[in-house]
Amino acid sequence: EPEVTQTPSHQVTQMGQEVILRCVPISNHLYFYWYRQILGQKVEFLVSFYNNEISEKSEIFDDQFSVERPDGSNFTLKIRSTKLEDSAMYFCASSEGHGPSNEKLFFGSGTQLSVL
Amino acid sequence: LAKTTQPISMDSYEGQEVNITCSHNNIATNDYITWYQQFPSQGPRFIIQGYKTKVTNEVASLFIPADRKSSTLSLPRVSLSDTAVYYCLVGDRNTGFQKLVFGTGTRLLVSP
Repeated sequence: EPEVTQTPSHQVTQMGQEVILRCVPISNHLYFYWYRQILGQKVEFLVSFYNNEISEKSEIFDDQFSVERPDGSNFTLKIRSTKLEDSAMYFCASSEGHGPSNEKLFFGSGTQLSVL
Repeated sequence: LAKTTQPISMDSYEGQEVNITCSHNNIATNDYITWYQQFPSQGPRFIIQGYKTKVTNEVASLFIPADRKSSTLSLPRVSLSDTAVYYCLVGDRNTGFQKLVFGTGTRLLVSP
């Protein structure tokens, strides 16, 4: 089965530093997403991305966050100035697109971000 | 999106059938019901989706009564590897599920 790959699997950073989390979605998928999960808590939606622009974002996704699809394969999440409360597992996901086939989200294995 | 309510946890033994029920009283006409599974330190994985009556695949069955205000995920003959968190989600297929909202899920523990 095709899979979403995320790098790195673990990222440790100092508070205030910038981090970039990388994802390679499934090649024929058109919708891309970032979710996060703080230890022991729910999986939270951050942002969805389609046609090179954000289609929806949550209140968590403030000005410190940005997403980009710099080329035809990668999808990145940047946190400009990390805070302690940004420590979480970040999941990238992708889906085929609108219509009956897009209800199945494929998630990556996540990047565990630790902000010290 | 319709709010869902599931049991926080369930216990079972290997070989038993497990049924996890989800309530979604405010489900809308266009809403579909989707279940995901999540193992520790992994991303959620799609299990099954349905709109009404019964859906079955190689992993599970999904039972949806006529009023669609609840749904039941049925896992036949569970094994230790089925220990995971199971999420019930309700969303509008026509809008593309761009914002799947995960609840707290049901933590299933399968024992020998």
